[in-house]
Amino acid sequence: DAGVIQSPRHEVTEMGQEVTLRCKPISGHNSLFWYRQTMMRGLELLIYFNNNVPIDDSGMPEDRFSAKMPNASFSTLKIQPSEPRDSAVYFCASSLVKGADYGYTFGSGTRLTVV
Amino acid sequence: AQTVTQSQPEMSVQEAETVTLSCTYDTSESDYYLFWYKQPPSRQMILVIRQEAYKQQNATENRFSVNFQKAAKSFSLKISDSQLGDAAMYFCAGMTGTASKLTFGTGTRLQVTL
Repeated sequence: DAGVIQSPRHEVTEMGQEVTLRCKPISGHNSLFWYRQTMMRGLELLIYFNNNVPIDDSGMPEDRFSAKMPNASFSTLKIQPSEPRDSAVYFCASSLVKGADYGYTFGSGTRLTVV
Repeated sequence: AQTVTQSQPEMSVQEAETVTLSCTYDTSESDYYLFWYKQPPSRQMILVIRQEAYKQQNATENRFSVNFQKAAKSFSLKISDSQLGDAAMYFCAGMTGTASKLTFGTGTRLQVTL
């Protein structure tokens, strides 16, 4: 199993540009999570999906952020327009519905830098 | 809702020694799960150990073990025979049985010295 795959690993973009982060969960996992990690705020849950349906997006900071999961094997997190304060590491993680039995499996993260 | 608190920003241990990382949590639910994750410089989040609240026995994974004190809402991680490769950020996290989302503490940076 290749694990949770995120792309790109690094992204540098100019303020105002659109950024799309991608995630492929582990096959068979039916919950997917997007987290953001910063020095100031630590690890924050942005949104999570269960069976491709968004369940809780209360962590999405503002309307500039959107996430989709068109099928069980792919999800995107989009920021439009991007701002310097969006600079962070963004993690995707997946789990079975009963995630507590196994915890999450995380991807390697995307380091986003907005200049 | 669940909160997780790690009060030690940094810890240091000598190679081959034992170190304990502290974590406290708060939840109103009776069904919950606790985890320790390791984040080395590669930034990969790695599950170290997990504990179900309904189990009284402390979880153990090789050199890693927990001291789960339910009444005190404490969940500490003990690393025995510390190795250089144990140097990393360690995050305590919790999940209630009714929700799938993990709530993380702020992390403890562990240094391992020769």
